[in-house]
Amino acid sequence: GQNIDQPTEMTATEGAIVQINCTYQTSGFNGLFWYQQHAGEAPTFLSYNVLDGLEEKGRFSSFLSRSKGYSYLLLKELQMKDSASYLCAVGGNYQLIWGAGTKLIIKP
Amino acid sequence: ETGVTQTPRHLVMGMTNKKSLKCEQHLGHNAMYWYKQSAKKPLELMFVYNFKEQTENNSVPSRFSPECPNSSHLFLHLHTLQPEDSALYLCASSPEGLAATYEQYFGPGTRLTVT
Repeated sequence: GQNIDQPTEMTATEGAIVQINCTYQTSGFNGLFWYQQHAGEAPTFLSYNVLDGLEEKGRFSSFLSRSKGYSYLLLKELQMKDSASYLCAVGGNYQLIWGAGTKLIIKP
Repeated sequence: ETGVTQTPRHLVMGMTNKKSLKCEQHLGHNAMYWYKQSAKKPLELMFVYNFKEQTENNSVPSRFSPECPNSSHLFLHLHTLQPEDSALYLCASSPEGLAATYEQYFGPGTRLTVT
């Protein structure tokens, strides 16, 4: 079967660094996406990895290891506005396979 | 308007009602999607339209009926729903939908409550 696992909830402190992990088992792989979703709002695209390694985009970085079926999203210099759910999704053969999301709570 | 819009934003309906959800994208994309999002569950893909043709129907009950008159508009017609259908319904679009390599752009969703 196809499966994507990520922690349900994480808590971090403003100004700190947090790493959100995602492991996957899918038939077919066309890249891995990370989306951010604030409560009551639409998911918005953060990053896309199709090759192994680290992609950096400002305060956010995403890493992929295809051989391990593993990715992480790294958020630096956390701000209160980063409180949101972070969704991991894998491009399967014809559609995206989604994880249930990680709710990130930022404390002052 | 820009991006992906959805109306209505909130909908309460009885189990015997018929209603429709509307989605419009202003991005020039050729693929549009309907998703169901329930609390603490992964996004569930319901339907995919690619160049106005339905390419995916993920075993969705017939009480949900999609319609895609053109590449910019997508509807979800609802009838005789059940309380477990209460959820956030999200519309999304992407440049094309045959390969899952493009990022998807989401609308704000319709919060549906079935009473």
